[in-house]
Amino acid sequence: DQQVKQNSPSLSVQEGRISILNCDYTNSMFDYFLWYKKYPAEGPTFLISISSIKDKNEDGRFTVFLNKSAKHLSLHIVPSQPGDSAVYFCAASELRAAGNKLTFGGGTRVLVKP
Amino acid sequence: DVKVTQSSRYLVKRTGEKVFLECVQDMDHENMFWYRQDPGLGLRLIYFSYDVKMKEKGDIPEGYSVSREKKERFSLILESASTNQTSMYLCASAQNYNEQFFGPGTRLTVL
Repeated sequence: DQQVKQNSPSLSVQEGRISILNCDYTNSMFDYFLWYKKYPAEGPTFLISISSIKDKNEDGRFTVFLNKSAKHLSLHIVPSQPGDSAVYFCAASELRAAGNKLTFGGGTRVLVKP
Repeated sequence: DVKVTQSSRYLVKRTGEKVFLECVQDMDHENMFWYRQDPGLGLRLIYFSYDVKMKEKGDIPEGYSVSREKKERFSLILESASTNQTSMYLCASAQNYNEQFFGPGTRLTVL
């Protein structure tokens, strides 16, 4: 039973437009959420995070929105660039749990067309 | 600059062989993790460790064991490799309450 779900396995977007990636979770104990980006043959790299006390966090072209009542978060990339083509993973954790354990979604493959 | 290294990028083993995957981090992090990545399933946690000699089962520990004798090193062991363990294996480390840093991964093929 997947506690973190990314229902769109892939997304194609034109360069300069907005990319919107979605993520849903079921565990109400999750209080910290992260997005990772992964290129082929490389490990995932941290992109942006948000605590459950916030509903928005912005870092340059990347913004994460959190809707706790809907147990839903989204990542917006504006404007999208060809270098953003990668697989994006949503992850969630309980900050109080020992070990900093993360639960990941299945990933969304983004293709930005020039 | 933070660094997590894994002993091999590509590995080919035969069914029944014992396989060791090693991971080293140079950030003095308390926590270390082993995941496998499979298409459509994302990253699934196999085992993690929050201190030397401590280990906790993740979501899919069956068929795997781990060892953490030193803070900087976390080993994943496949006692008897099987074809369904063909996967990308990713190691990560983290300080408490912060994001995890990943190594480049090991692509393991079991024939």
